[in-house]
Amino acid sequence: SQQGEEDPQALSIQEGENATMNCSYKTSINNLQWYRQNSGRGLVHLILIRSNEREKHSGRLRVTLDTSKKSSSLLITASRAADTASYFCATDEKGAQKLVFGQGTRLTINP
Amino acid sequence: EAGVAQSPRYKIIEKRQSVAFWCNPISGHATLYWYQQILGQGPKLLIQFQNNGVVDDSQLPKDRFSAERLKGVDSTLKIQPAKLEDSAVYLCASSLVAGSSYNEQFFGPGTRLTVL
Repeated sequence: SQQGEEDPQALSIQEGENATMNCSYKTSINNLQWYRQNSGRGLVHLILIRSNEREKHSGRLRVTLDTSKKSSSLLITASRAADTASYFCATDEKGAQKLVFGQGTRLTINP
Repeated sequence: EAGVAQSPRYKIIEKRQSVAFWCNPISGHATLYWYQQILGQGPKLLIQFQNNGVVDDSQLPKDRFSAERLKGVDSTLKIQPAKLEDSAVYLCASSLVAGSSYNEQFFGPGTRLTVL
């Protein structure tokens, strides 16, 4: 079963703009992770935020986590054509020892 | 450091045939995962190994899917017989340790299976 629900399902923006993707989940978690998948490739880990953290940065990425609302957002600033990919949130559920992935957001950056 | 290796990259078979996928995880990674990713969806965990023991196979269709991880390193996933709905990308991933609060997974490129 898939826990994360991502919103929007697809997003198309101009190069240089910021992209925001949201993820909601249902159960208690140890951490939440974001992955990127380029077309026809495997997934690449982007960033992990622990359940006791509220915000985390990595380069042009900013992730927030609101455990009271069971939601997270991924912000990509100053987008580039190379950011075109699908982005997935994955929750590390407490007691489950596994990641549960959402359906993903398909991001297109137009030059 | 070498990444997760998978083969073959592509496979086309007819329904009711058998197919096998191979995965070599990152050296030293205790945990290995097989995921099924249907087009337009997120990866769904099929089976998780820790060393050569199965941790979770609750979503593995055991009537047709089987997997093994001999000697706690390489792994094979088999489908016998295949159905049309098995068309998907099969992803292998590995992580250093499962059950810790930090569980980054490293993914291979996947095997794209088409069942005709």
